[in-house]
Amino acid sequence: QLQLQESGPGLVKPSETLSLSCTVSGGSISRSSYYWGWIRQPPGKGLEWIGSIYYTGTAYYNPPLKRRVTISVDTSKNQLSLTLTSVTAADTAVYYCARHSTSGSHFDYWGQGTLVTVSS
Amino acid sequence: EIVMTQSPATLSVSPGERATLSCRASQSVSNNLAWYQQRPGQAPRLLVYGASTRATGIPARFSGSGSGTEFTLTISSLQSEDFAVYYCQQYNDWPSWTFGQGTKVEIK
Repeated sequence: QLQLQESGPGLVKPSETLSLSCTVSGGSISRSSYYWGWIRQPPGKGLEWIGSIYYTGTAYYNPPLKRRVTISVDTSKNQLSLTLTSVTAADTAVYYCARHSTSGSHFDYWGQGTLVTVSS
Repeated sequence: EIVMTQSPATLSVSPGERATLSCRASQSVSNNLAWYQQRPGQAPRLLVYGASTRATGIPARFSGSGSGTEFTLTISSLQSEDFAVYYCQQYNDWPSWTFGQGTKVEIK
């Protein structure tokens, strides 16, 4: 059974950089036909796609966040990572990693999510 | 950006009754539409993709329909575990996927 697990600091100061990792178990991140993405959800609000990456390193980002986001992949660790720079309170959210296929981009496996609060 | 609008924001339904949730796209997304269920404190769970294909393990009481700009998720007979928030997502506009704001299905 494929499992995804997010990890990282739960508190980040304004203007600093948010860094999260997602470890994939029960399957290889290098499997073709799948992308690995990040989605976030501010408390009490809806879902926002941040970006996705293929195991080769090809990444796509949501245009409004593109300037501040970097997603990378480490196939040796079966992990993907998220970096978001210059954070503000508006970046406070639960951050999820999830898998989607290259043929249809619905998200079929999700991590449990990790809450990141931006506050001084 | 394609804007996804869900209605109603909240739907009050009695157990055993039928629930009909709507999702409208600001421009055509063909059938590139998915539905998710999110229970409190949990990650979203994929219910339907391709507008009408149930995901693995999803009960038959969940059904999706529509194409273009108008979509519907129907829950034929609500069970206690179905009271949750439901989101639609379009994946036609690559790479700029968007979600609706959600419909909360609550016990009447």
